[in-house]
Amino acid sequence: ETGVTQSPTHLIKTRGQQVTLRCSSQSGHNTVSWYQQALGQGPQFIFQYYREEENGRGNFPPRFSGLQFPNYSSELNVNALELDDSALYLCASSSQVGTGELFFGEGSRLTVL
Amino acid sequence: DQQVKQNSPSLSVQEGRISILNCDYTNSMFDYFLWYKKYPAEGPTFLISISSIKDKNEDGRFTVFLNKSAKHLSLHIVPSQPGDSAVYFCAASAITDSWGKLQFGAGTQVVVTP
Repeated sequence: ETGVTQSPTHLIKTRGQQVTLRCSSQSGHNTVSWYQQALGQGPQFIFQYYREEENGRGNFPPRFSGLQFPNYSSELNVNALELDDSALYLCASSSQVGTGELFFGEGSRLTVL
Repeated sequence: DQQVKQNSPSLSVQEGRISILNCDYTNSMFDYFLWYKKYPAEGPTFLISISSIKDKNEDGRFTVFLNKSAKHLSLHIVPSQPGDSAVYFCAASAITDSWGKLQFGAGTQVVVTP
């Protein structure tokens, strides 16, 4: 059973650019959630996808968008990058049944200069 | 608006002793609570959870206590081991929220010394 994998692990962008982060869900999981973790803070919910549709969104602007594909892999896209977007972006997969536990990937560390 | 608060950013404990991590929340709609552990360069991993219909849940060395009236939960680790050194996050979800939406606290860095 493969776990949640994310790519890239680190990347540097400049303000105004766009970035795409990728995530492969754990085998058998049909739900993916994205979180942003700023330095010294806990993860903050960005949005969740279930069956390729957005199924809940946190307090993030529309320039944060996502996709979920038929194989349950997912992308997080951020347009018009700002300095405050510098953070660790975590992808988590889950099943709609069970304890509600999320399985996290290692994250993608984004630095915006 | 921080709905889940971990007021102790760090905790140092000797190996073999008890570690007690605290968490407070403000949203009365939260009905499920989880603790995650995070090592550097790794994603958070699930540790233990508790439903609001219970006040205690045990799993080996880990016990979570929930006091709904005080909107407070705690994680006890007994005995603490050097491998427990990590950042611990308290998280909560509300029945009104979508599955997979968790509110996290800021975390407590635990250091277990020999």
